[in-house]
Amino acid sequence: GEDVEQSLFLSVREGDSSVINCTYTDSSSTYLYWYKQEPGAGLQLLTYIFSNMDMKQDQRLTVLLNKKDKHLSLRIADTQTGDSAIYFCAESKGNTGKLIFGQGTTLQVKP
Amino acid sequence: DAEITQSPRHKITETGRQVTLACHQTWNHNNMFWYRQDLGHGLRLIHYSYGVQDTNKGEVSDGYSVSRSNTEDLPLTLESAASSQTSVYFCASSADGNTEAFFGQGTRLTVV
Repeated sequence: GEDVEQSLFLSVREGDSSVINCTYTDSSSTYLYWYKQEPGAGLQLLTYIFSNMDMKQDQRLTVLLNKKDKHLSLRIADTQTGDSAIYFCAESKGNTGKLIFGQGTTLQVKP
Repeated sequence: DAEITQSPRHKITETGRQVTLACHQTWNHNNMFWYRQDLGHGLRLIHYSYGVQDTNKGEVSDGYSVSRSNTEDLPLTLESAASSQTSVYFCASSADGNTEAFFGQGTRLTVV
């Protein structure tokens, strides 16, 4: 099975908060990342969290890390239509630079 | 501005042909990676390199090869293209193992 799991689809209304969840299996991961992919584009790094942190906030984005349950979440406050995209969770393998990606969560924002 | 570029952006090829996808970065990054993106699988690592003359196999390396003759380029070669290699291919680079990886725009390859 996959090392990193995400739900495949999330639909929210504009102005609501979105929460995208991810579980991972490798407890030795040093960094955990959230990437955003818009249609026909590459991946854009949104935010990341170091494995010894519990929470990181960056403007509308909040990342929560539960190391005991190996659970990572991304909360987007005041979701806008421009936030519609695929969101990937990824874990790094030690200091190798190699990334293990989840399947991606498609976020649909309805006006 | 420094960047990472992939070419071509789209390619259609026939089964059995050799195909090379180009990746070029101008950050002088040591690390370069090739991933493929398929529905239901996210991105999976094909090959990677930590510097000139260094190449390593990733999770899904069968049928692919890479070479690193300089810092800027990591071309990906499909020796004999198969329909199972129809996918979107992404190249990425990073300065080291703990810094942000920058991704190219992707190459959509169709093998018919």
